[in-house]
Amino acid sequence: GENVEQHPSTLSVQEGDSAVIKCTYSDSASNYFPWYKQELGKRPQLIIDIRSNVGEKKDQRIAVTLNKTAKHFSLHITETQPEDSAVYFCAASMAGGFKTIFGAGTRLFVKA
Amino acid sequence: EAQVTQNPRYLITVTGKKLTVTCSQNMNHEYMSWYRQDPGLGLRQIYYSMNVEVTDKGDVPEGYKVSRKEKRNFPLILESPSPNQTSLYFCASSPAPGTDYEQYFGPGTRLTVT
Repeated sequence: GENVEQHPSTLSVQEGDSAVIKCTYSDSASNYFPWYKQELGKRPQLIIDIRSNVGEKKDQRIAVTLNKTAKHFSLHITETQPEDSAVYFCAASMAGGFKTIFGAGTRLFVKA
Repeated sequence: EAQVTQNPRYLITVTGKKLTVTCSQNMNHEYMSWYRQDPGLGLRQIYYSMNVEVTDKGDVPEGYKVSRKEKRNFPLILESPSPNQTSLYFCASSPAPGTDYEQYFGPGTRLTVT
């Protein structure tokens, strides 16, 4: 079946450094790729998303890149801050439907 | 306030005792969905609904039922819960395609089945 692989499972960076999380999806029909941040004990919240007709999207310190040929997309966080510490999930879905496959998550630690 | 609500937030039950977790949204969203979250497995979709009376299976539908009789409500039913259904459950809603695809999650329901 369809799946989304996410790496790494844990990432530890120094405050101010960049963090990169990578995902690979299997369903070539997927055309919507969101990233969610989940703080401890909280619900997931969307931080950025990208659709298949775009290769890159940026929002302040956060950017997402998409390579549809390789079925690969990545989250980039620059100038990391302690409040960026959380679990990050990538996901893939068909925007016309609602079936969504999530990656297993990356626990990001930002050390002050 | 625009929100997705779930009840109960915490539930401890015994094997085989039917239960329902309610989910309601006040944003007039077309789409609603249920997920379970387990350590190391991320969020796995149980069922989703694209409109009233329209539901479809996600990745892990076994042991669960849903219904969508009204646009705002999407209850999750466990007819005969088993210990492997112990998990954190999230309901989510989203507007129809063509507008905003973001999923808005409820606060979660932590279920323990003994």
